[in-house]
Amino acid sequence: KAGVTQTPRYLIKTRGQQVTLSCSPISGHRSVSWYQQTPGQGLQFLFEYFSETQRNKGNFPGRFSGRQFSNSRSEMNVSTLELGDSALYLCASSPGSGGSLFFGSGTQLSVL
Amino acid sequence: DAKTTQPTSMDCAEGRAANLPCNHSTISGNEYVYWYRQIHSQGPQYIIHGLKNNETNEMASLIITEDRKSSTLILPHATLRDTAVYYCIVRAPMGTGNNRKLIWGLGTSLAVNP
Repeated sequence: KAGVTQTPRYLIKTRGQQVTLSCSPISGHRSVSWYQQTPGQGLQFLFEYFSETQRNKGNFPGRFSGRQFSNSRSEMNVSTLELGDSALYLCASSPGSGGSLFFGSGTQLSVL
Repeated sequence: DAKTTQPTSMDCAEGRAANLPCNHSTISGNEYVYWYRQIHSQGPQYIIHGLKNNETNEMASLIITEDRKSSTLILPHATLRDTAVYYCIVRAPMGTGNNRKLIWGLGTSLAVNP
């Protein structure tokens, strides 16, 4: 069974631009959650989707948004990028809301 | 929101047991304790989880105190490849549909030395 796939693996953007990151969960998994990881802050929870509905949301500004499609694939969008948005963005899937999380390799975003 | 506390760093000699502690005093009755580890620039990898009984798998053992306010992950024979950051989190069981926001601390950076 294929694991969680995140694309792209690396991304370089400039301030003010927007970016869309993609996550394909493990087949059959209906829950997808997103995290931001920076060296000083560790893993910060962004949001969790289950069956196309946002179930939980972390403490991030409205520039960070996401969605989940009917096939459980998820996208995360960051608008008006700031230098501080440079981070590793991780996606995790699980069969349902709750339970074991399975992570992708992440997207390393650099904002210049 | 459920929160865990772990030491910032630990050292262990290769071949010895590594015992990584975690405090989770605000854990709810139906929340499980999960352990993950992360090797640099990769996504966290699931290790083990438990509710109240001790658990063991091919990677590690998990000891949860009777009051469930703390736990210890045990790597019985640490190798150099076990050098990683280890995270302890609490999470609702699958299907409850009532997840509290997951809070990941900075974890414990384990260095296994030759």
